[in-house]
Amino acid sequence: DIQMTQSPSTLSAFVGDRVTLTCRASQSIGSWMAWYQQKGQSAPKLLIYEASNLESGVSPRFSGSGSGTEFTLTIGNLQPEDFAVYYCQQYKSNSPITFGQGTRLDMK
Amino acid sequence: QWHLQQSGPGQVNPSETLSLTCSLSSGSMRHYYWTWIRQAPGKGLEWIGYISDIGTTTYNPSLKSRVIISIDTSKNQFSLTLTSVTAADTGIYYCARDRPSIFGEPGVYAMDVWGQGTTVTVSS
Repeated sequence: DIQMTQSPSTLSAFVGDRVTLTCRASQSIGSWMAWYQQKGQSAPKLLIYEASNLESGVSPRFSGSGSGTEFTLTIGNLQPEDFAVYYCQQYKSNSPITFGQGTRLDMK
Repeated sequence: QWHLQQSGPGQVNPSETLSLTCSLSSGSMRHYYWTWIRQAPGKGLEWIGYISDIGTTTYNPSLKSRVIISIDTSKNQFSLTLTSVTAADTGIYYCARDRPSIFGEPGVYAMDVWGQGTTVTVSS
């Protein structure tokens, strides 16, 4: 299985801050990864696909970068609605598709 | 507007079978892949498996012996069956659509449309 490791597990920030979340794959996955935001028990929301492509309707304050094994999600000018849990997902290998353990973004 | 509506029981007895259905309210299931994901209480996301529009499936090896995903494109529905459930199968179950790749190829990629989730409790 391809392991996806996210860091940090928890991140505290102020409204207006710029933050960067990291996801590391246990082997090269090219750009075959995505980022999701989940609030409470709601369904996850796709933010970024193929590492750096912004999903339609998602705020441009979100951006993704990276390839191979190292990936980042950057959120600029944090807004109150951005405080949530963020997951990365790889789909280079579909047996199985795997997610990171999540990063919780808390408001300071 | 794509919308996935989930249905199925919220409680299943241990050792019995969990069955959930995901219905697409508008649009066609053709040329897309369809996925089930679950989330144990307080935990992260776990991929269960997917099915293509023509019925090709792949399952998580950890669940493969107990999972069946099926599709009925004439009814715009796909379903999850999980047998011999235990308390470890308790959680929120989501269905989702896999968006085509950036090159326009249907397949298992990022999931852009999600159902509302079904909370399933395995308990007698």
